[in-house]
Amino acid sequence: DAMVIQNPRYQVTQFGKPVTLSCSQTLNHNVMYWYQQKSSQAPKLLFHYYDKDFNNEADTPDNFQSRRPNTSFCFLDIRSPGLGDAAMYLCATSGLAGGGSGANVLTFGAGSRLTVL
Amino acid sequence: EDQVTQSPEALRLQEGESSSLNCSYTVSGLRGLFWYRQDPGKGPEFLFTLYSAGEEKEKERLKATLTKKESFLHITAPKPEDSATYLCAVRSFSGNTGKLIFGQGTTLQVKP
Repeated sequence: DAMVIQNPRYQVTQFGKPVTLSCSQTLNHNVMYWYQQKSSQAPKLLFHYYDKDFNNEADTPDNFQSRRPNTSFCFLDIRSPGLGDAAMYLCATSGLAGGGSGANVLTFGAGSRLTVL
Repeated sequence: EDQVTQSPEALRLQEGESSSLNCSYTVSGLRGLFWYRQDPGKGPEFLFTLYSAGEEKEKERLKATLTKKESFLHITAPKPEDSATYLCAVRSFSGNTGKLIFGQGTTLQVKP
């Protein structure tokens, strides 16, 4: 089945130790998103790619970076994780940013839960 | 600023006890309202998209409706397997990207 796969599912790191989370998709979708979701809170958009065009949210900390080497893969890099960065990180994809009705539906991966010690 | 507010934050129901979840929104121009279901430790799973006031969609025990300012997710005769967090999200006309703005969710618990 076509899907969005995130690795690792669980990541434990130490304060300040860089972390990379990965996301791959078999849907051939143009747009890939990274959301941060803290306990009992709304998912918060960090950034997204429309093809190779990177779109950063204004309030996303500089500590968070992303790479999209090809259509299928996208990475989230946290350069110096702090305790406040502990969260579930959700990757999602959609067909076209400005497309028709079906294109707006985001398909999510299972998430990567980050713990910072 | 686009905003989505869901209520209640948590809802406990007995099996078979019907109820509704509310999603209030303010957007510069609605380009779709979305309902997702999220199970603990998992990513959100798509349920419905609504685009215009008066539109309704149904799936099994769930029915979503939309007005100009809010959406309701009606749950008829719920079962324990309906227990989950239900997220509402909107996409606005501001900008040309497909990003969604989410509410904080309603956590539903259905007891047998």
